[in-house]
Amino acid sequence: ETGVTQTPRHLVMGMTNKKSLKCEQHLGHNAMYWYKQSAKKPLELMFVYNFKEQTENNSVPSRFSPECPNSSHLFLHLHTLQPEDSALYLCASSQHGPINEKLFFGSGTQLSVL
Amino acid sequence: DQQVKQNSPSLSVQEGRISILNCDYTNSMFDYFLWYKKYPAEGPTFLISISSIKDKNEDGRFTVFLNKSAKHLSLHIVPSQPGDSAVYFCAASFTGNQFYFGTGTSLTVIP
Repeated sequence: ETGVTQTPRHLVMGMTNKKSLKCEQHLGHNAMYWYKQSAKKPLELMFVYNFKEQTENNSVPSRFSPECPNSSHLFLHLHTLQPEDSALYLCASSQHGPINEKLFFGSGTQLSVL
Repeated sequence: DQQVKQNSPSLSVQEGRISILNCDYTNSMFDYFLWYKKYPAEGPTFLISISSIKDKNEDGRFTVFLNKSAKHLSLHIVPSQPGDSAVYFCAASFTGNQFYFGTGTSLTVIP
């Protein structure tokens, strides 16, 4: 049971490009999350949306801009990224959040910044 | 500073034997713990959880043990199967707060 779809699966972009990552959940959940996974590092929470309202922003640089138009869709807009932003970006959802319940993850977008 | 640590980056186990994956945490406020499994090119999938009111939770071949005094969590897989070969992440949280993840342990089950 995944129910969380992310597109694109892979993305290569230059530092001056603007791109967007998309996430859609089909589970009827009310909370959605963006996580970053860099090599050899733990998953880092970037943003949390609960009932479409952003409830957490973990000191993420402004070159990452989230958007949550409804409880089922989440976007991450990217502009003027740096090579160190290359990572796997994972979207997740939960019934409510953030409380003690499991997260459902998408397959991720592998981002390479040249 | 990492609040959840998985000190073994990799583990190899013979098929049919027990796999034991370990996780340590530093924050005594954590009261909910999960294990996730991740195959290459896929997102993490939930495996098993445990609340701090328990010290053991079992689901089929998977058992999670919690030692609160030692701030230690372990996942036992028995018997191990080749399909269990994946990266395993532990995560911890307390109510109203985010999950903190470990760096993962790559398990290889040898047929």
